[in-house]
Amino acid sequence: AQSVSQHNHHVILSEAASLELGCNYSYGGTVNLFWYVQYPGQHLQLLLKYFSGDPLVKGIKGFEAEFIKSKFSFNLRKPSVQWSDTAEYFCALRAGNNRKLIWGLGTSLAVNP
Amino acid sequence: NAGVTQTPKFRVLKTGQSMTLLCAQDMNHEYMYWYRQDPGMGLRLIHYSVGEGTTAKGEVPDGYNVSRLKKQNFLLGLESAAPSQTSVYFCASSTRTANQPQHFGDGTRLSIL
Repeated sequence: AQSVSQHNHHVILSEAASLELGCNYSYGGTVNLFWYVQYPGQHLQLLLKYFSGDPLVKGIKGFEAEFIKSKFSFNLRKPSVQWSDTAEYFCALRAGNNRKLIWGLGTSLAVNP
Repeated sequence: NAGVTQTPKFRVLKTGQSMTLLCAQDMNHEYMYWYRQDPGMGLRLIHYSVGEGTTAKGEVPDGYNVSRLKKQNFLLGLESAAPSQTSVYFCASSTRTANQPQHFGDGTRLSIL
C-alpha cells in the first residue's frame, strides 16, 4: 500500500538555523510529491511540488526540496529559518493516476527568536 | 479571488444533532475533497468527488454523507453527530491534472458536546 512517512514529529530550532524535514514514501511507480505548510490557525498552503524534471525544486519563502528516487525521499530544506516559519509541515504523495493524495502525519516546527 | 470557501467557520452541536457543512469553489475544479484534521493524526480523507453527481468514500467515511449536485459545491453532512466527530474539517479542490495541487479552504471547527 502507498504511504508517506515523516520522521520528525516535532522540531525546535533557533532563528538562522538550517532546516531539513524528512519525507519518505512507498510506491514504485510515477509520483507527484508536495509539501504543504499550515501556519497556526490557518489552512494548508502549497510550499512546493515535484512532478518531473529537475529533482531539486524550489518553492516559496526560500524552501526547497530534493526528490531522490533511489531513496524514495522528498526532504524539505531551508538554509536559515525565521520565527515566521513556525508552522506544521505536511508531505503528500499522488501515486500514479490516483485521484487522492496520501498524506504524512505532519511535522510541527517551532522556531525560537 | 475567493478560491475555496467553507461555511460555517465554527459550530457547536449536541450529540445526535445533524448539520451540513458547505464548501464552494470558484476555480472550476473537477475534484473536491473533505478531510478531517485531528491532533497527531494528520489529514484524513472522509469523502471525495471527481465530478458533479459523483462521490466516493475516503478512509474515514462512517457517520458522514456528501453530495455534489453542482460542480462548484460539495456538501458534507453529519446525520447524527457524535463526540468523536469533534474535529477541524477542511475542504479542498483540484483540477484533474495529476501534478496540480489541492487548494484548501479555511476550515470549519466543529465541536460535538
